[in-house]
Amino acid sequence: GQQVMQIPQYQHVQEGEDFTTYCNSSTTLSNIQWYKQRPGGHPVFLIQLVKSGEVKKQKRLTFQFGEAKKNSSLHITATQTTDVGTYFCAPRASNSGYALNFGKGTSLLVTP
Amino acid sequence: SAVISQKPSRDICQRGTSLTIQCQVDSQVTMMFWYRQQPGQSLTLIATANQGSEATYESGFVIDKFPISRPNLTFSTLTVSNMSPEDSSIYLCSVEGQGWGYTFGSGTRLTVV
Repeated sequence: GQQVMQIPQYQHVQEGEDFTTYCNSSTTLSNIQWYKQRPGGHPVFLIQLVKSGEVKKQKRLTFQFGEAKKNSSLHITATQTTDVGTYFCAPRASNSGYALNFGKGTSLLVTP
Repeated sequence: SAVISQKPSRDICQRGTSLTIQCQVDSQVTMMFWYRQQPGQSLTLIATANQGSEATYESGFVIDKFPISRPNLTFSTLTVSNMSPEDSSIYLCSVEGQGWGYTFGSGTRLTVV
């Protein structure tokens, strides 16, 4: 079955530093979604990537989908304290059901 | 995207009792999903609830422990039965959006004492 690894598990940065989390799958994906969960909150949808090599940007956030559609990354430029939270990838294989299955997440702490 | 009202937001329950969690969606959806999130952990899918049919449970979750109702296309309940402290967790419902990813309820934080 599909194996997904999300790294790192934790990241502590100073405000203004960059941050990247990676999601790596053992199998080729149909698409991948990214979610952010603030402390005490619920997951909130950020983006969906579908195409091989796709790159999407949302302000300071850059999302990439690997050429082989097995890997994805989320990069935050110049982190702010509002970026604190846990970032989850939700990869989907072609034979996935309708429900989402999540990576273990990367918890980001930003120190002012 | 859909808006989900989930309640209760939190509860403290005695072991051996049951708690029913409700999710109301502001639009009709075919499938609703129930997740559990233990402290500091990722989300684990409990079951998928379709209107008019039995819910489909993931490995490790059974209907007797987590009965689900789906009486119409906008509403679902999840019951956590015969609770033990190991059931202390956050429970979330979710629906698939129209190109907007999945939307989650605000969660129910359950503590079993």
